[in-house]
Amino acid sequence: AQSVTQLGSHVSVSEGALVLLRCNYSSSVPPYLFWYVQYPNQGLQLLLKYTSAATLVKGINGFEAEFKKSETSFHLTKPSAHMSDAAEYFCAVTPAGDMRFGAGTRLTVKP
Amino acid sequence: DAGVTQSPTHLIKTRGQQVTLRCSPKSGHDTVSWYQQALGQGPQFIFQYYEEEERQRGNFPDRFSGHQFPNYSSELNVNALLLGDSALYLCASSLGTADTQYFGPGTRLTVL
Repeated sequence: AQSVTQLGSHVSVSEGALVLLRCNYSSSVPPYLFWYVQYPNQGLQLLLKYTSAATLVKGINGFEAEFKKSETSFHLTKPSAHMSDAAEYFCAVTPAGDMRFGAGTRLTVKP
Repeated sequence: DAGVTQSPTHLIKTRGQQVTLRCSPKSGHDTVSWYQQALGQGPQFIFQYYEEEERQRGNFPDRFSGHQFPNYSSELNVNALLLGDSALYLCASSLGTADTQYFGPGTRLTVL
């Protein structure tokens, strides 16, 4: 069964530092992979998605993710963190419409 | 362009009661999926509706049921509420069952 595992429930970075949020997937077929962000007391906002067109995917707010089949990874990065990036981030995979989410990574940005 | 909307925003019920949550999909979308997000966890898939039929279902008991209307809006019904049903319920819409899902703001259900 397809699933994702997010490594690190909590990541803390300084403003201006690199953001790296880790996600590994388990799938026997090429997966559709997503990153969503959730701000406090809000729903999920789509950051980016991988659908096999290109291994490096650019999303909103300066985020990007690279699909690495050899490592079964889809890590999310941003070169320079901003205070407004503080939120919960979820990696997800969808076999056929039923999205399966990781447990989430809470990103804290220190001034 | 209106996004996904959900009502109500918050709801408080007692054990054993029944609750109905509502969702209007993003304009142009025809598929609605429902998720339960317990505190501190990732969302869990409940079910998906397309063409007014339940197309897929996650590992949730029959107490959870739904409906999709001809205008593509949807309802989630939960019977015989348990304390463990307290969660944020998220609705997502898409164009087709396998397309990218866009989420609403959620309904916070508290069961006392």
